[in-house]
Amino acid sequence: KAGVTQTPRYLIKTRGQQVTLSCSPISGHRSVSWYQQTPGQGLQFLFEYFSETQRNKGNFPGRFSGRQFSNSRSEMNVSTLELGDSALYLCASSLLAGGGDEQYFGPGTRLTVT
Amino acid sequence: QQQVKQSPQSLIVQKGGISIINCAYENTAFDYFPWYQQFPGKGPALLIAIRPDVSEKKEGRFTISFNKSAKQFSLHIMDSQPGDSATYFCAAQGAAGNMLTFGGGTRLMVKP
Repeated sequence: KAGVTQTPRYLIKTRGQQVTLSCSPISGHRSVSWYQQTPGQGLQFLFEYFSETQRNKGNFPGRFSGRQFSNSRSEMNVSTLELGDSALYLCASSLLAGGGDEQYFGPGTRLTVT
Repeated sequence: QQQVKQSPQSLIVQKGGISIINCAYENTAFDYFPWYQQFPGKGPALLIAIRPDVSEKKEGRFTISFNKSAKQFSLHIMDSQPGDSATYFCAAQGAAGNMLTFGGGTRLMVKP
């Protein structure tokens, strides 16, 4: 069974632009969670989607948004990019929505904002 | 507020030795505690996980010890190998959803 896939793997953007990242969960998994990883802040939860609905959101500004499609694929969008948004963005998929379900991570999208 | 504290930040162990990484949490609503292993350029990989109804779980060379009253849990890597050299993250999650709170990470180096 294929793992979690994320596209693109690398991205360079300039301040003020917007970016869209994509995540395809493991086949059959319906929950997708997004995380930001930086050297300074570590791994931080962004949001969780299940059945096309956002179930939980982390402490990030409204510039960070996401959505999930009927096939469970998910996208996240960051508008008006700032230098501090440079990070590895990770998506994780789970079979179910409830807490305690195993989350499997993709390889991440490395975003660099210049 | 950091809800999961992980120590040490870095660890050097000789091949064949035992690596021990500790985590402490604050939120008593957490009821699922996984450990992840991350190699450079890769996403975190689920290693082993425990729930508070058991005090220990072992999978191969990896063991989690859990102390509910102290709100602490630890990862033990027995017979550490150079291939175990990676960054390890503890995490915690409650029943509200799939949103992990991570510790700060431990960079493990196993010397041959």
